[in-house]
Amino acid sequence: NAGVTQTPKFRVLKTGQSMTLLCAQDMNHEYMYWYRQDPGMGLRLIHYSVGEGTTAKGEVPDGYNVSRLKKQNFLLGLESAAPSQTSVYFCATSRLTERWLATSYNEQFFGPGTRLTVL
Amino acid sequence: GENVEQHPSTLSVQEGDSAVIKCTYSDSASNYFPWYKQELGKGPQLIIDIRSNVGEKKDQRIAVTLNKTAKHFSLHITETQPEDSAVYFCAATRGSQGNLIFGKGTKLSVKP
Repeated sequence: NAGVTQTPKFRVLKTGQSMTLLCAQDMNHEYMYWYRQDPGMGLRLIHYSVGEGTTAKGEVPDGYNVSRLKKQNFLLGLESAAPSQTSVYFCATSRLTERWLATSYNEQFFGPGTRLTVL
Repeated sequence: GENVEQHPSTLSVQEGDSAVIKCTYSDSASNYFPWYKQELGKGPQLIIDIRSNVGEKKDQRIAVTLNKTAKHFSLHITETQPEDSAVYFCAATRGSQGNLIFGKGTKLSVKP
């Protein structure tokens, strides 16, 4: 099992260019997340999805769009890249929270990351 | 909104010593507190977690304590080894069912 994979591993863009980052998982997890990691800032949630066909905004969604057409894939798009979007992007997945349980928390499994530089 | 503060940002210890990383959170409804370890060039990986109905949890050399009244929780690593060198992140749920809010990380260096 590959777990969580991200494509590409590295990318350099010019300001104004667009691109799509792909996250793929073979763990059959319902939840998928996109984070960005900047030096000294920790991990910040961009968008997330609680199931196929659903998406929701996280802490820092501006400038990004996402789609979850298939359960195993979560795409992150940059329509017009800006230098402020230079970062390392991580995808993560987790199991469906069993909401009928009083406490039900699920480990997030992270991909290896995509290093994006916008010039 | 929820805020998670983590200290120190860097920590250097000698092999065999203990290391302690502390986090505070602001949302009293937060009820799940995981710790992630990130090695160079890799994604974070869960190492231990604690739920709000528990005060302490231990897994071999790693332990986490939670003080709900003071809204802080800590990671304790005993008998540190060079392979413990990494960046450690604490996190807390946004409210009782929300997504995770991460601290800014602690870079731990264990010197042989």
